[in-house]
Amino acid sequence: EVHLVESGGGLVKPGGSLRLSCTASGLILSNNWMSWVRQAPGKGPEWVGRIKSKADGGAVDYAAPVKGRFTISRDDSKNTLYLQMKSLKSEDTAVYYCTQVEDWGQGTTVTVSS
Amino acid sequence: DIQMTQSPSSLSASVGDRVTITCRASQGIGNDLVWYQQTPGKAPKRLIYAASSFQSGVPLRFSGSGSGTDFSLTISSLQPEDSATYYCLQISSFPPTFGQGTKVEIK
Repeated sequence: EVHLVESGGGLVKPGGSLRLSCTASGLILSNNWMSWVRQAPGKGPEWVGRIKSKADGGAVDYAAPVKGRFTISRDDSKNTLYLQMKSLKSEDTAVYYCTQVEDWGQGTTVTVSS
Repeated sequence: DIQMTQSPSSLSASVGDRVTITCRASQGIGNDLVWYQQTPGKAPKRLIYAASSFQSGVPLRFSGSGSGTDFSLTISSLQPEDSATYYCLQISSFPPTFGQGTKVEIK
């Protein structure tokens, strides 16, 4: 059974940084295209970015609203996915999920507020 | 980006009713469409993939159809536990884009 667990969320001031983690069990992250998806309060989900599998080259793509501010990476030795967020804005406030489309974590909440 | 137009935005139906939700893509996406169910405070749960393939463990009253630009999710006999918000997602091109969601309420 696949289990994804996100962590690292919290309250951060505008302009601040935060790093989210997604630890997997029952799934080898490097064998999968892994994504970060966020959901602002009362809104639908929004794709943030993805990292391709190792076999497909491991390239990373980002959605326009976060390009240049967010970085997705993976530590294969820890089977963990990361989302480094900087220059955070109030509109980045959301629950952040990691997913490979089929399975999702429970999410971690990021609140950007002064 | 491919726009996904989902309708209706909400509906109210009785237990046992047949319910259909539609999703239209702004350009052809083949069958690269996923349907999710989401209840408050929970992550989305995949119901259907590749437009019409059943996700293991999902009740068979949920079915998907369509290809190209027009897709639908049908609940053949609505149950109380189906009260949720449903989203379509296209994964044909980056960025993947979701429909706006359909909130299903039980009368």
